[in-house]
Amino acid sequence: ILNVEQSPQSLHVQEGDSTNFTCSFPSSNFYALHWYRWETAKSPEALFVMTLNGDEKKKGRISATLNTKEGYSYLYIKGSQPEDSATYLCASLSGGYNKLIFGAGTRLAVHP
Amino acid sequence: EAQVTQNPRYLITVTGKKLTVTCSQNMNHEYMSWYRQDPGLGLRQIYYSMNVEVTDKGDVPEGYKVSRKEKRNFPLILESPSPNQTSLYFCASSSTAAARAFFGQGTRLTVV
Repeated sequence: ILNVEQSPQSLHVQEGDSTNFTCSFPSSNFYALHWYRWETAKSPEALFVMTLNGDEKKKGRISATLNTKEGYSYLYIKGSQPEDSATYLCASLSGGYNKLIFGAGTRLAVHP
Repeated sequence: EAQVTQNPRYLITVTGKKLTVTCSQNMNHEYMSWYRQDPGLGLRQIYYSMNVEVTDKGDVPEGYKVSRKEKRNFPLILESPSPNQTSLYFCASSSTAAARAFFGQGTRLTVV
């Protein structure tokens, strides 16, 4: 199993704070990196799919960067709101494999 | 509406009693997969299917079976459930293994 690591495990911030967290994945034979948001009692929803080194994606106040050479991706949330509270999952797909490997997630709580 | 539908949402069963969790998608996706989610662990893949009649083991296939007789359906079968299969299960579909995944609502299974 190729390991995908996410840090921190959990994060508490105040409304309006900007925050970021990390996903580390195997850099060899990299193919794609996914980010998902998983709200309590719901199912995970895709935020970004990234494939190219140096790629940057943005969706509203959330953005992500990708470094395939060193095997990490950052997810940034600007001006956190309580509705951003969720678990953020990343998943890596390596070439030659047909399955996503998920990290354990970062649980974000945004306090009003 | 594009969706992945799992049933049932909740299930309590006894050890050894065969059960099936159904999964259906309406997006004509070729790739489907089953995951289980346990506290402190990421989503772990049980089985996946690249297309009709093409299935393969994920990372934790022991105690599970799947079938893919039609493109839209991918049921998960537990022939003889055991308490260590108590978990939250998700079905997901995507156009390819690398494309964004659409998740079902989840099935919370308890085996006593």
